Amino acid sequence: SAVISQKPSRDICQRGTSLTIQCQVDSQVTMMFWYRQQPGQSLTLIATANQGSEATYESGFVIDKFPISRPNLTFSTLTVSNMSPEDSSIYLCSVSGQPNTGELFFGEGSRLTVL
Amino acid sequence: GQQVMQIPQYQHVQEGEDFTTYCNSSTTLSNIQWYKQRPGGHPVFLIQLVKSGEVKKQKRLTFQFGEAKKNSSLHITATQTTDVGTYFCAGGNAGGTSYGKLTFGQGTILTVHP
Repeated sequence: SAVISQKPSRDICQRGTSLTIQCQVDSQVTMMFWYRQQPGQSLTLIATANQGSEATYESGFVIDKFPISRPNLTFSTLTVSNMSPEDSSIYLCSVSGQPNTGELFFGEGSRLTVL
Repeated sequence: GQQVMQIPQYQHVQEGEDFTTYCNSSTTLSNIQWYKQRPGGHPVFLIQLVKSGEVKKQKRLTFQFGEAKKNSSLHITATQTTDVGTYFCAGGNAGGTSYGKLTFGQGTILTVHP
């Protein structure tokens, strides 16, 4: 299993501002995944972050709103841009445990509240 | 797109009672995974089922994957207060272009009264 550290763990933000969430993994991984979990809801995949290429976004999520960086095999950032109260969620970074088996290991999440 | 439905949404049990949550997919799955999320925590991987009709056990937890690979269940025998949390199923495809892309069910919130 991988150890995943996320920062910040929580933040309160003002409407219209942007916040960048950092995700650090203790081992090199090919793909990192960013999920959103809205209050009391399930997990929704935002995008897959690949090192050396553009992130792949899921339907309903766009790069202008959620720009992602992946500068190396152990680190990624997700920015939530021009935030509104609807962006209040837990944002989770995750990686796969083994090649081609797909189970996910999650960071502890970043809980954002937008006022 | 693929949809994964999970029932019930909530389950309240007395300690010692059994608990079951069910998961149904709109499409045939390559695998199904189960996760547990404690209150205030992050999802933690429990198990993965790959084979049609597969049954796996982890102590008091029994996981089943349907013959058609479209449904699954998690059964907990004699619940304990430590079982409290939200249980998610997640349908996915291993390898290929869908590597790591899971569709999560809505989750079942389990509360256990001592």
